[in-house]
Amino acid sequence: GNSVTQMEGPVTLSEEAFLTINCTYTATGYPSLFWYVQYPGEGLQLLLKATKADDKGSNKGFEATYRKETTSFHLEKGSVQVSDSAVYFCALSESYGNKLVFGAGTILRVKS
Amino acid sequence: GAVVSQHPSRVICKSGTSVKIECRSLDFQATTMFWYRQFPKQSLMLMATSNEGSKATYEQGVEKDKFLINHASLTLSTLTVTSAHPEDSSFYICSARDVRGVTQYFGPGTRLTVL
Repeated sequence: GNSVTQMEGPVTLSEEAFLTINCTYTATGYPSLFWYVQYPGEGLQLLLKATKADDKGSNKGFEATYRKETTSFHLEKGSVQVSDSAVYFCALSESYGNKLVFGAGTILRVKS
Repeated sequence: GAVVSQHPSRVICKSGTSVKIECRSLDFQATTMFWYRQFPKQSLMLMATSNEGSKATYEQGVEKDKFLINHASLTLSTLTVTSAHPEDSSFYICSARDVRGVTQYFGPGTRLTVL
């Protein structure tokens, strides 16, 4: 079946450090890929998405590229802020808009 | 745009009572809504998929009679936890997909505590 694997956290960084959160997936067909962010006590917010191979999703300084050859969708940001502290979930949808399969989530803590 | 609300945001109830949680898409029509459950420090587990005007599709292991889902309109879905017990305490999150079938938008979640 479909699955998403994320790097384990928590990830602790200093402000302005470079961020990478690894995400790999297993899926049949050609899934759409997503990164969602969850701030403490809140629901999930869509951060970015990519619907086909080599697409790059970007938002708020975060980027992720859909790599079919390595089945990966790693999240990156060049300079993190304290306000980026949250839980980040990688997810896939086998049919765009269909039910999502989530990774376990990665806690990011940014210290000033 | 694409705002999803949930009500209530927090609820505390006694064991044996039923609790209804509402999920509304405020500025778009949602033919499909999803209900998730999230345990502390864990990922989201899909409970059921709700299509407007039809019966919900439940994931394996989710009790249909325990978690009643109704999707009576294009902007409202409800989850009723019947005869709640302490093990039902959790964070329940809904999401809505618009009629064009693109991105799911998530509600802020409902924290249920059963005493």
